[in-house]
Amino acid sequence: EAQVTQNPRYLITVTGKKLTVTCSQNMNHEYMSWYRQDPGLGLRQIYYSMNVEVTDKGDVPEGYKVSRKEKRNFPLILESPSPNQTSLYFCASSSPQATGDLAKNIQYFGAGTRLSVL
Amino acid sequence: GQNIDQPTEMTATEGAIVQINCTYQTSGFNGLFWYQQHAGEAPTFLSYNVLDGLEEKGRFSSFLSRSKGYSYLLLKELQMKDSASYLCAVSLGGSYIPTFGRGTSLIVHP
Repeated sequence: EAQVTQNPRYLITVTGKKLTVTCSQNMNHEYMSWYRQDPGLGLRQIYYSMNVEVTDKGDVPEGYKVSRKEKRNFPLILESPSPNQTSLYFCASSSPQATGDLAKNIQYFGAGTRLSVL
Repeated sequence: GQNIDQPTEMTATEGAIVQINCTYQTSGFNGLFWYQQHAGEAPTFLSYNVLDGLEEKGRFSSFLSRSKGYSYLLLKELQMKDSASYLCAVSLGGSYIPTFGRGTSLIVHP
């Protein structure tokens, strides 16, 4: 089954304790992205990757790191989490090349990770 | 952000028709997407528009006017299960990564 898998689904942690949220896709997609979703603010992009070893900042990258060492995996790292990073996080993958239209970059989302930083 | 504007909340009656509008800045426009998101779930793709006009897909249709920076999602024969957030997303510039609006929460009541 084609899917994007995030782990963990729920996480409660304390300020300053490093954590990693994993994301894996089995669709051989070139693009992967991380978003956070907060009430009233919608989905905001944190980082994205257009291919292996290529990553770029999105709209809200401060406090986050990512890596893309393999095509299928795109982990999100919070080196020193703070309470303002409490949010619902979504990973997404896409393959505009597969649609024949680079602009038709349809995002396939994971189920989400709900993070609380105390 | 990319100045994507859509209403925060709308209500409608089961069986009716509802139109959710979205406006965006036009510079560097590549394409526009609509996603549906039920509470606590991931967004799922509904439609894509790149040319002016109407794209119809069952009960859902999406319209685009590139020159006006305007789109709408039209939902017909509303069902209770259509209660969800509807996200407008726009692809601008060379990265082709879409930017999302804040979403419109649609409440369908009997």
